[in-house]
Amino acid sequence: GENVEQHPSTLSVQEGDSAVIKCTYSDSASNYFPWYKQELGKRPQLIIDIRSNVGEKKDQRIAVTLNKTAKHFSLHITETQPEDSAVYFCAAWSGNQFYFGTGTSLTVIP
Amino acid sequence: ETGVTQTPRHLVMGMTNKKSLKCEQHLGHNAMYWYKQSAKKPLELMFVYSLEERVENNSVPSRFSPECPNSSHLFLHLHTLQPEDSALYLCASSQDHLFGAGNTIYFGEGSWLTVV
Repeated sequence: GENVEQHPSTLSVQEGDSAVIKCTYSDSASNYFPWYKQELGKRPQLIIDIRSNVGEKKDQRIAVTLNKTAKHFSLHITETQPEDSAVYFCAAWSGNQFYFGTGTSLTVIP
Repeated sequence: ETGVTQTPRHLVMGMTNKKSLKCEQHLGHNAMYWYKQSAKKPLELMFVYSLEERVENNSVPSRFSPECPNSSHLFLHLHTLQPEDSALYLCASSQDHLFGAGNTIYFGEGSWLTVV
């Protein structure tokens, strides 16, 4: 089956700086890659996603890039704000289910 | 947001108890899921139902028993659990299960389970 690795596990940035979280996957057939944000005590919520036929997608301060050759995809958050503090999960759709990364705990320091 | 609702939000149960977790989705989706979320581990898929039929059972112990009476409701019946089963159990739904690309899943708030 698919194996998704996510790094780093924790990340602290100063408010206004950028944050980058990277995931790698093993199954070249994986074709859909969502990112979820989970605030403390809340549900994971989809923040951005990308399909395998696209290299980059942007939504305001959030962007995702996909490198199919290298089998990795990254989440980029620019101009970080304290409310961006949360755990972020990547996922890859392979076969018939999603495979998730272990999560990155992002802290934005005011 | 009330797309996927779970009850109870918190549950403490002894190892000999029988309890159930309930999930309801108001999104008109055809697929529903149970995931287990433990600290420092990826989300683990437990069960998948598509149009009320179980399509995935990822080697989950029989002390967890799912039930899907209709496409809007999903239950997880718990019996003789172990302390290592303590975790956050997340219910989720998606429009369809078979055609996955772009098939976003929506999570509930989760049920925090503590087994004592």
